[in-house]
Amino acid sequence: NAGVTQTPKFRILKIGQSMTLQCTQDMNHNYMYWYRQDPGMGLKLIYYSVGAGITDKGEVPNGYNVSRSTTEDFPLRLELAAPSQTSVYFCASSYVGQMNTEAFFGQGTRLTVV
Amino acid sequence: TQLLEQSPQFLSIQEGENLTVYCNSSSVFSSLQWYRQEPGEGPVLLVTVVTGGEVKKLKRLTFQFGDARKDSSLHITAAQTGDTGLYLCAGEDNYGQNFVFGPGTRLSVLP
Repeated sequence: NAGVTQTPKFRILKIGQSMTLQCTQDMNHNYMYWYRQDPGMGLKLIYYSVGAGITDKGEVPNGYNVSRSTTEDFPLRLELAAPSQTSVYFCASSYVGQMNTEAFFGQGTRLTVV
Repeated sequence: TQLLEQSPQFLSIQEGENLTVYCNSSSVFSSLQWYRQEPGEGPVLLVTVVTGGEVKKLKRLTFQFGDARKDSSLHITAAQTGDTGLYLCAGEDNYGQNFVFGPGTRLSVLP
């Protein structure tokens, strides 16, 4: 199984540009998440989805948008990139509804906004 | 908002030494998880603890969940260079919807 796949792995954006970070999972998980990780820090939740067609804000949603049209895909959109959005972005998925829920993470997208 | 704190923030030790890292909160969590993250990779789950007072062992790693389910510790015996990484604790909120992550302890084990 591929698990959680994120693309691209690296990207440099200019201020004001837009981009979409792609995330797909093949484990039929109902929950998907987007986190950002700043240098030396833990993970902060940007958005999450409990199933196709349902999304909700996390701790730091400003400047981002998401959609969940299918169970497998959960893209993250940056409309007007700002230097404060320079970070490593992780997508994760889990199956909520059973004991000992585990989050499976992608390898991350390292984004630099200049 | 349920917050998790971790200590120490950084830890550098020699191979063969023992160490303990801590995860604390003022909130009660239905479960706590420990993840290890290596450079350039996403976090990978090590263990989930669910019951207050629970102790789980994975080879040289011992995890404990506090009686009140507000804190947890990770003890590593005879650390190896392969234990180097960022150790994150995560609490599953009481709605079972989200994971709240601590800031992590960055461990460096020197040969």
